[in-house]
Amino acid sequence: DAGVTQSPTHLIKTRGQQVTLRCSPISGHKSVSWYQQVLGQGPQFIFQYYEKEERGRGNFPDRFSARQFPNYSSELNVNALLLGDSALYLCASSSIWGAATEAFFGQGTRLTVV
Amino acid sequence: QQQVKQSPQSLIVQKGGISIINCAYENTAFDYFPWYQQFPGKGPALLIAIRPDVSEKKEGRFTISFNKSAKQFSLHIMDSQPGDSATYFCAASSDRGSTLGRLYFGRGTQLTVWP
Repeated sequence: DAGVTQSPTHLIKTRGQQVTLRCSPISGHKSVSWYQQVLGQGPQFIFQYYEKEERGRGNFPDRFSARQFPNYSSELNVNALLLGDSALYLCASSSIWGAATEAFFGQGTRLTVV
Repeated sequence: QQQVKQSPQSLIVQKGGISIINCAYENTAFDYFPWYQQFPGKGPALLIAIRPDVSEKKEGRFTISFNKSAKQFSLHIMDSQPGDSATYFCAASSDRGSTLGRLYFGRGTQLTVWP
């Protein structure tokens, strides 16, 4: 069975640019969450989507946005990139909204802002 | 603020030894406490988890000890192996309220097991 897949795996962007990261959840999973993991720290919650609706948002600026598509895949968009946005962005999928017990993580997208 | 505090930041253990990582939390609404293992270039993988209705859970060489009154929990890795060398994260979550399902992670512990 395919796990959570994220693309691209690595990305280099310039300050001020915009970036779109993609996530395909495990087949049958309807909930997708996004986390940011800065080097040397634990992941921090950004967004949670379930059935194409935003169900939760972490303490991140409005430059961060996301959406979920009818096939339950998701995109995370970050505008006006800052150096501090350099991080590993992780997507987690679960079958039920709010079920942290069933959260499975992808391998992440490593974003470097220069 | 950091909802889950984890220590130590790094840990070096001899092969066959016991690795112990500690975490503490403040939010009494938390009711799910997982531990994740992360290798370089990979996403976190669930290792073992516990609910506050039990004080200990064991799966193979991995044991979680949970102290509800002290709001602390710890991971014990028995007979540590070089393949256990990774970064370990404790986390906490609540199944209710406006933040249900969100995982709050500690800062991580870099474990190195010497052969």
